[in-house]
Amino acid sequence: QVQLVESGGGVVQPGRSLRLSCAASGFIFSNYGMHWVRQAPGKGLEWVAVIWYDGSNKYYADSVKGRFTISRDNSKNTVFLQMDSLRAEDTAVYYCARRVSGSSAPWAADYWGQGTLVTVSS
Amino acid sequence: QSALTQPASVSGSPGQSITISCTGTSSDVGGYNYVSWYQQHPGKAPKLMIYDVSNRPSGVSNRFSGSKSGNTASLTISGLQSEDEADYYCGSYTRSTTLVFGGGTKLTVL
Repeated sequence: QVQLVESGGGVVQPGRSLRLSCAASGFIFSNYGMHWVRQAPGKGLEWVAVIWYDGSNKYYADSVKGRFTISRDNSKNTVFLQMDSLRAEDTAVYYCARRVSGSSAPWAADYWGQGTLVTVSS
Repeated sequence: QSALTQPASVSGSPGQSITISCTGTSSDVGGYNYVSWYQQHPGKAPKLMIYDVSNRPSGVSNRFSGSKSGNTASLTISGLQSEDEADYYCGSYTRSTTLVFGGGTKLTVL
């Protein structure tokens, strides 16, 4: 069965960096684009970034562009989110999610991890 | 990247049908057939209910259906059940090659 397990969350001071990982299993990872989506406490979903199945394309929300970097290692079935220059407003649960199969485009996600909490605070 | 507009809350009685709207612009909802809907129970990860406007993933009940007219997409849930009580989010591809979500709608089953 498809499993996505995020790790790397925690408490970090403003301006510092953090790297999230998402380990995938149960499907051919190298065939699927992957998303990061976040949810601030008590708030709605906010899309963060997407990476194509082969890493050839990466797109970001304006709110994180230039500070966050999405990457993947298909040999380790893992997608990463490098978060630099963190701000208080980046505090959220971060989910990784797999692009939906059956669509011609990767703009929906059919499997989600359980999320990892990132708290940016001094 | 303004969020799509959803009603904050909707409610219905068991067995009834409800519809949740999701309004965007011609740069997102109206311009592409890449609208999706997610259900989220408290403390849980989102679950995909509809993708590409009206397609249901395997395992999702056919009580859930999606449609679109102009810049507004809709999720309809028929035969409401208590377990449908959750938050619902729409999402859409945008002209900027990004994904944008709606603010979310809390569904209460009376």
